[in-house]
Amino acid sequence: DAMVIQNPRYQVTQFGKPVTLSCSQTLNHNVMYWYQQKSSQAPKLLFHYYDKDFNNEADTPDNFQSRRPNTSFCFLDIRSPGLGDAAMYLCATSREIGAPSIYEQYFGPGTRLTVT
Amino acid sequence: DAKTTQPPSMDCAEGRAANLPCNHSTISGNEYVYWYRQIHSQGPQYIIHGLKNNETNEMASLIITEDRKSSTLILPHATLRDTAVYYCIVRVESGGSNYKLTFGKGTLLTVNP
Repeated sequence: DAMVIQNPRYQVTQFGKPVTLSCSQTLNHNVMYWYQQKSSQAPKLLFHYYDKDFNNEADTPDNFQSRRPNTSFCFLDIRSPGLGDAAMYLCATSREIGAPSIYEQYFGPGTRLTVT
Repeated sequence: DAKTTQPPSMDCAEGRAANLPCNHSTISGNEYVYWYRQIHSQGPQYIIHGLKNNETNEMASLIITEDRKSSTLILPHATLRDTAVYYCIVRVESGGSNYKLTFGKGTLLTVNP
């Protein structure tokens, strides 16, 4: 089945140690998103790629970066994780071609990041 | 995007219909209403969306009032697996970065045996 895959499902990193989370998709969707979801809160969009174009949310800290080497893969890099970055990180995709676009987003299962 | 208001929690008996309300009084004419749900420890899942007509699919029905200021998601026969946080999201569809979803606090639906 076509899907959004996130690896690993659980990641433990040390305070200040760079960490990379990965996302891949077999849906051939042109848009990929990264959300952060802290405990008991709603998902919050960090940034997204429309094709190769990177779109950062205004309030996303510089500590968070992303790479999309090809259509299928997208990475979330946290350069210096702090304790406040512990959260579930969700990757999502959608097919947005032209306007109006009414395609739903498909979410992966998430990676739960623990910072020690 | 217009903001939405949902009750923080609701209960429903298994096998009964679950009716989840959402207020979006500032919705614009070109904004769609989307519903997603998130089961514990999983990613959100799309349920249904609509503009002004009522919509139905294999998961749920969406009833939008004539003035479009509110909507109701209906799960016709709730099961224990429908226990989740349900998010009502209003999303503009014209131009710009219109693919973004802005999640509110949602409604925690608990289906009881």
